[in-house]
Amino acid sequence: DQQVKQNSPSLSVQEGRISILNCDYTNSMFDYFLWYKKYPAEGPTFLISISSIKDKNEDGRFTVFLNKSAKHLSLHIVPSQPGDSAVYFCAASDHSGYALNFGKGTSLLVTP
Amino acid sequence: SQTIHQWPATLVQPVGSPLSLECTVEGTSNPNLYWYRQAAGRGLQLLFYSVGIGQISSEVPQNLSASRPQDRQFILSSKKLLLSDSGFYLCAWSVSRVGVGYTFGSGTRLTVV
Repeated sequence: DQQVKQNSPSLSVQEGRISILNCDYTNSMFDYFLWYKKYPAEGPTFLISISSIKDKNEDGRFTVFLNKSAKHLSLHIVPSQPGDSAVYFCAASDHSGYALNFGKGTSLLVTP
Repeated sequence: SQTIHQWPATLVQPVGSPLSLECTVEGTSNPNLYWYRQAAGRGLQLLFYSVGIGQISSEVPQNLSASRPQDRQFILSSKKLLLSDSGFYLCAWSVSRVGVGYTFGSGTRLTVV
Protein backbone atom coordinates (compact mmCIF):
# COMPACT_ATOMS: atom_id res chain seq x y z
CA ASP A 1 0.00 0.00 0.00
CA GLN A 2 1.08 3.54 -0.68
CA GLN A 3 2.36 5.06 2.56
CA VAL A 4 3.39 8.31 0.93
CA LYS A 5 0.81 10.02 -1.22
CA GLN A 6 1.04 12.90 -3.62
CA ASN A 7 -2.52 13.43 -4.70
CA SER A 8 -1.84 16.06 -7.34
CA PRO A 9 -0.22 14.50 -10.38
CA SER A 10 0.44 17.89 -11.95
CA LEU A 11 0.64 21.58 -11.14
CA SER A 12 1.03 24.62 -13.37
CA VAL A 13 2.32 27.92 -11.99
CA GLN A 14 3.36 31.21 -13.54
CA GLU A 15 6.95 32.31 -13.29
CA GLY A 16 7.54 34.43 -10.21
CA ARG A 17 4.60 33.00 -8.30
CA ILE A 18 4.69 30.49 -5.47
CA SER A 19 4.54 26.76 -6.17
CA ILE A 20 3.11 24.58 -3.41
CA LEU A 21 3.50 20.84 -3.67
CA ASN A 22 1.74 18.65 -1.15
CA CYS A 23 2.43 15.26 0.32
CA ASP A 24 0.57 13.10 2.85
CA TYR A 25 1.78 10.05 4.70
CA THR A 26 0.10 7.33 6.68
CA ASN A 27 2.91 5.77 8.70
CA SER A 28 3.31 7.56 12.03
CA MET A 29 6.76 5.97 12.42
CA PHE A 30 8.20 8.10 9.63
CA ASP A 31 10.65 10.58 11.11
CA TYR A 32 12.57 11.91 8.14
CA PHE A 33 11.16 13.43 5.00
CA LEU A 34 12.80 14.42 1.75
CA TRP A 35 11.95 16.02 -1.56
CA TYR A 36 13.60 14.98 -4.78
CA LYS A 37 13.46 16.67 -8.15
CA LYS A 38 13.56 14.70 -11.38
CA TYR A 39 14.03 15.79 -14.96
CA PRO A 40 13.02 13.44 -17.81
CA ALA A 41 15.49 10.64 -18.51
CA GLU A 42 17.58 11.53 -15.47
CA GLY A 43 17.85 10.19 -11.95
CA PRO A 44 16.17 12.14 -9.13
CA THR A 45 18.31 14.65 -7.28
CA PHE A 46 17.98 15.53 -3.64
CA LEU A 47 16.38 18.91 -3.01
CA ILE A 48 15.59 19.43 0.65
CA SER A 49 14.77 17.42 3.75
CA ILE A 50 13.23 17.81 7.17
CA SER A 51 13.41 15.86 10.38
CA SER A 52 10.30 15.19 12.42
CA ILE A 53 11.68 17.30 15.25
CA LYS A 54 11.26 20.38 13.09
CA ASP A 55 8.26 21.91 11.40
CA LYS A 56 10.09 23.99 8.82
CA ASN A 57 13.31 23.89 6.86
CA GLU A 58 14.41 26.51 4.39
CA ASP A 59 17.06 26.47 1.69
CA GLY A 60 17.08 29.44 -0.62
CA ARG A 61 13.89 29.49 -2.65
CA PHE A 62 12.77 26.14 -1.24
CA THR A 63 10.96 25.64 2.06
CA VAL A 64 9.52 22.43 3.40
CA PHE A 65 6.81 22.51 6.06
CA LEU A 66 5.87 19.53 8.20
CA ASN A 67 2.58 19.11 10.06
CA LYS A 68 2.97 15.93 12.05
CA SER A 69 -0.52 15.94 13.52
CA ALA A 70 -1.99 16.03 10.04
CA LYS A 71 0.71 13.75 8.61
CA HIS A 72 1.23 16.30 5.90
CA LEU A 73 4.18 18.08 4.39
CA SER A 74 4.50 20.64 1.68
CA LEU A 75 7.22 22.10 -0.48
CA HIS A 76 7.09 25.80 -1.27
CA ILE A 77 9.10 27.27 -4.13
CA VAL A 78 9.29 31.06 -4.15
CA PRO A 79 9.69 32.58 -6.66
CA SER A 80 9.08 29.82 -9.19
CA GLN A 81 11.35 29.73 -12.24
CA PRO A 82 10.97 27.89 -15.56
CA GLY A 83 13.97 25.74 -14.63
CA ASP A 84 11.95 24.40 -11.71
CA SER A 85 9.73 22.52 -14.17
CA ALA A 86 10.25 18.89 -13.24
CA VAL A 87 8.66 16.01 -11.37
CA TYR A 88 8.91 16.35 -7.60
CA PHE A 89 8.90 13.27 -5.40
CA CYS A 90 8.14 13.27 -1.72
CA ALA A 91 9.88 10.54 0.30
CA ALA A 92 9.86 9.37 3.89
CA SER A 93 11.72 6.97 6.12
CA ASP A 94 11.71 5.75 9.68
CA HIS A 95 14.74 5.20 11.88
CA SER A 96 14.51 1.45 11.54
CA GLY A 97 14.14 1.29 7.78
CA TYR A 98 16.77 0.81 5.14
CA ALA A 99 14.88 2.39 2.31
CA LEU A 100 12.89 5.44 1.41
CA ASN A 101 9.20 5.33 0.62
CA PHE A 102 8.34 7.53 -2.34
CA GLY A 103 5.14 9.14 -3.50
CA LYS A 104 4.04 8.97 -7.12
CA GLY A 105 5.34 12.44 -7.87
CA THR A 106 3.89 15.77 -8.93
CA SER A 107 4.81 17.24 -12.29
CA LEU A 108 5.39 20.97 -11.94
CA LEU A 109 5.26 23.24 -14.96
CA VAL A 110 6.39 26.82 -14.51
CA THR A 111 5.28 28.97 -17.41
CA PRO A 112 6.95 32.24 -18.43
CA SER B 1 33.97 12.41 -4.17
CA GLN B 2 31.38 9.71 -4.56
CA THR B 3 29.95 8.88 -7.94
CA ILE B 4 27.48 6.32 -9.18
CA HIS B 5 27.53 4.80 -12.64
CA GLN B 6 24.62 3.03 -14.24
CA TRP B 7 24.46 1.52 -17.68
CA PRO B 8 23.21 1.21 -20.31
CA ALA B 9 21.18 4.42 -20.60
CA THR B 10 18.61 2.88 -22.91
CA LEU B 11 17.78 -0.68 -23.81
CA VAL B 12 15.23 -2.30 -26.10
CA GLN B 13 14.80 -6.01 -25.52
CA PRO B 14 12.37 -8.59 -26.91
CA VAL B 15 9.98 -10.45 -24.65
CA GLY B 16 11.59 -13.56 -23.24
CA SER B 17 15.15 -12.28 -23.52
CA PRO B 18 17.48 -11.98 -20.51
CA LEU B 19 18.41 -8.73 -18.80
CA SER B 20 21.44 -7.47 -16.97
CA LEU B 21 21.74 -3.91 -15.69
CA GLU B 22 24.83 -2.88 -13.81
CA CYS B 23 25.46 -0.21 -11.23
CA THR B 24 28.76 0.71 -9.59
CA VAL B 25 29.61 3.22 -6.91
CA GLU B 26 32.95 4.94 -6.45
CA GLY B 27 34.41 6.85 -3.55
CA THR B 28 32.68 5.08 -0.68
CA SER B 29 32.78 1.78 1.14
CA ASN B 30 29.98 -0.52 2.23
CA PRO B 31 27.18 1.57 0.78
CA ASN B 32 23.54 0.59 0.93
CA LEU B 33 22.50 -0.07 -2.65
CA TYR B 34 19.03 0.09 -4.16
CA TRP B 35 17.19 -0.70 -7.37
CA TYR B 36 14.04 1.31 -8.07
CA ARG B 37 11.69 1.27 -11.03
CA GLN B 38 9.53 4.07 -12.30
CA ALA B 39 6.80 2.63 -14.49
CA ALA B 40 4.51 4.79 -16.58
CA GLY B 41 2.07 6.66 -14.36
CA ARG B 42 3.55 5.28 -11.19
CA GLY B 43 5.98 6.50 -8.62
CA LEU B 44 9.33 5.14 -7.62
CA GLN B 45 8.91 1.53 -6.64
CA LEU B 46 11.62 -0.11 -4.57
CA LEU B 47 12.62 -3.42 -6.11
CA PHE B 48 15.68 -4.54 -4.17
CA TYR B 49 18.09 -3.24 -1.61
CA SER B 50 21.38 -4.50 -0.26
CA VAL B 51 23.26 -3.60 2.90
CA GLY B 52 26.31 -5.73 2.10
CA ILE B 53 27.94 -8.17 -0.29
CA GLY B 54 25.62 -11.06 -1.02
CA GLN B 55 22.80 -9.55 1.06
CA ILE B 56 19.74 -8.85 -1.04
CA SER B 57 16.27 -7.95 0.15
CA SER B 58 13.39 -8.08 -2.27
CA GLU B 59 10.47 -5.74 -1.81
CA VAL B 60 8.27 -6.86 -4.64
CA PRO B 61 8.00 -10.45 -5.89
CA GLN B 62 8.44 -10.39 -9.62
CA ASN B 63 10.33 -11.51 -12.62
CA LEU B 64 13.56 -9.81 -11.56
CA SER B 65 16.50 -10.65 -9.34
CA ALA B 66 19.45 -8.74 -7.96
CA SER B 67 22.97 -9.60 -6.95
CA ARG B 68 25.83 -7.83 -5.23
CA PRO B 69 29.02 -9.66 -6.16
CA GLN B 70 31.29 -6.87 -4.92
CA ASP B 71 30.97 -4.15 -2.30
CA ARG B 72 30.24 -1.40 -4.79
CA GLN B 73 28.57 -3.35 -7.57
CA PHE B 74 24.85 -4.04 -7.84
CA ILE B 75 23.31 -5.98 -10.71
CA LEU B 76 19.67 -6.30 -11.74
CA SER B 77 18.82 -9.35 -13.82
CA SER B 78 16.03 -11.25 -15.41
CA LYS B 79 16.05 -14.63 -17.15
CA LYS B 80 13.03 -13.85 -19.31
CA LEU B 81 11.68 -10.36 -19.72
CA LEU B 82 7.97 -9.60 -19.76
CA LEU B 83 6.25 -6.65 -21.40
CA SER B 84 5.39 -5.39 -17.91
CA ASP B 85 9.10 -5.09 -17.09
CA SER B 86 9.30 -1.96 -19.24
CA GLY B 87 10.15 1.14 -17.26
CA PHE B 88 12.85 3.45 -16.03
CA TYR B 89 15.25 1.64 -13.71
CA LEU B 90 17.24 3.58 -11.18
CA CYS B 91 20.13 2.53 -9.02
CA ALA B 92 20.86 4.48 -5.85
CA TRP B 93 23.24 4.40 -2.93
CA SER B 94 23.20 5.61 0.62
CA VAL B 95 25.61 5.47 3.52
CA SER B 96 22.90 5.78 6.11
CA ARG B 97 20.59 3.08 7.36
CA VAL B 98 17.86 5.68 7.48
CA GLY B 99 18.24 6.28 3.80
CA VAL B 100 19.14 9.89 4.24
CA GLY B 101 20.56 11.49 1.15
CA TYR B 102 20.10 8.83 -1.49
CA THR B 103 22.18 9.49 -4.56
CA PHE B 104 20.65 8.15 -7.73
CA GLY B 105 22.26 7.04 -10.94
CA SER B 106 21.17 8.46 -14.26
CA GLY B 107 18.79 5.57 -14.94
CA THR B 108 18.16 3.00 -17.67
CA ARG B 109 15.13 3.24 -19.93
CA LEU B 110 14.09 -0.34 -20.66
CA THR B 111 11.55 -1.06 -23.34
CA VAL B 112 10.42 -4.63 -23.75
CA VAL B 113 8.92 -5.29 -27.18
